[in-house]
Amino acid sequence: EAQVTQNPRYLITVTGKKLTVTCSQNMNHEYMSWYRQDPGLGLRQIYYSMNVEVTDKGDVPEGYKVSRKEKRNFPLILESPSPNQTSLYFCASSGGTVNSPLHFGNGTRLTVT
Amino acid sequence: GENVEQHPSTLSVQEGDSAVIKCTYSDSASNYFPWYKQELGKRPQLIIDIRSNVGEKKDQRIAVTLNKTAKHFSLHITETQPEDSAVYFCAAVSGGYQKVTFGTGTKLQVIP
Repeated sequence: EAQVTQNPRYLITVTGKKLTVTCSQNMNHEYMSWYRQDPGLGLRQIYYSMNVEVTDKGDVPEGYKVSRKEKRNFPLILESPSPNQTSLYFCASSGGTVNSPLHFGNGTRLTVT
Repeated sequence: GENVEQHPSTLSVQEGDSAVIKCTYSDSASNYFPWYKQELGKRPQLIIDIRSNVGEKKDQRIAVTLNKTAKHFSLHITETQPEDSAVYFCAAVSGGYQKVTFGTGTKLQVIP
């Protein structure tokens, strides 16, 4: 089954404790991206990757890192999480052309205390 | 950068009525406009999309219109059903997904 898999689904952590949210897709998509969803703000793009070893900042990249060493994986790294990073995070992938829609993962609800 | 405004933020309609959600965008480089539906606790899923060289697209009860000159696009749902209740997001995309800007969402409630 074609899908985008995120882990974990839920994560509670403390300020400053490094964490990684994994994202993997099995559709051989070139484009992958991360979004955070907050009430009243919609989905905001954190980082995106057009292909392996090619990443770029979205609208809200501060406090986040990403890597794209393999085509299928695109982890989101929070080196020193802060409470304002408490949010619902979605990973998504796309074939990358204008005709290709985004396929979203199931989301990761992160709470930073 | 791109700015996408979406209205209304909430919308209640009676079952069988039509619902219209409107979005405006600011960047003339945006050339792809998808609409996503997000049910409670689930991931957003594409319901319809339109490219900048097309003015209107229809898929059964759902249609999208685009006015490039005015930089706005709208989602139309006819004969609404309770299962249409969800949050709907519009988006403006440029550069083949290099830049994706979402609207803030519309919570649609269809009352049986």
